[in-house]
Amino acid sequence: QKEVEQNSGPLSVPEGAIASLNCTYSDRVSQSFFWYRQYSGKSPELIMSIYSNGDKEDGRFTAQLNKASQYVSLLIRDSQSSDSATYLCAVNPRGYNKLIFGAGTRLAVHP
Amino acid sequence: DAEITQSPRHKITETGRQVTLACHQTWNHNNMFWYRQDLGHGLRLIHYSYGVQDTNKGEVSDGYSVSRSNTEDLPLTLESAASSQTSVYFCASSAAGRNSPLHFGNGTRLTVT
Repeated sequence: QKEVEQNSGPLSVPEGAIASLNCTYSDRVSQSFFWYRQYSGKSPELIMSIYSNGDKEDGRFTAQLNKASQYVSLLIRDSQSSDSATYLCAVNPRGYNKLIFGAGTRLAVHP
Repeated sequence: DAEITQSPRHKITETGRQVTLACHQTWNHNNMFWYRQDLGHGLRLIHYSYGVQDTNKGEVSDGYSVSRSNTEDLPLTLESAASSQTSVYFCASSAAGRNSPLHFGNGTRLTVT
């Protein structure tokens, strides 16, 4: 079992819709969780971080964390063409100061 | 502005040669990391360092080495390049503290022929 798992996609959504990206992790004591966005040929950039159960909102983005079920999700409201990218889920396992990444989900927003 | 710089951006080398990829950060971060990215695998951790003279192996460390002689630099060396090491390599840094996010360099695309 991989430490961090994501559906590779592509996830295709129309402009204006909500995109829902999901991630599960295997280490039950993981404590911090991050979502990165990566455009083709570019480096990952941080979108959201979340540390406590529940929702965290930042503009059109909402991160959701459920530690009991070991999943973290990212919702993108009012999807735009500029959101088309690969989204990487990253987990800090066992309080170690390093991140383990999932393989990423490719999001395609179409007109 | 603080930044993290990787060089070269592109490198082509032959099988068996030694190659060193440079990473320099001006964030004054204690933590530095090397990842490789391949299709279908996402980012995989090669080596990391929590400070000067500290180095640790990640999940795919075979065939790679690092050294940390100062805060700013963490060079990655491929001792004898293999075609399986053709990849995009990202260097990253973070402040101390488990909730600190990573800041990434622009990547180095390495091709081993």
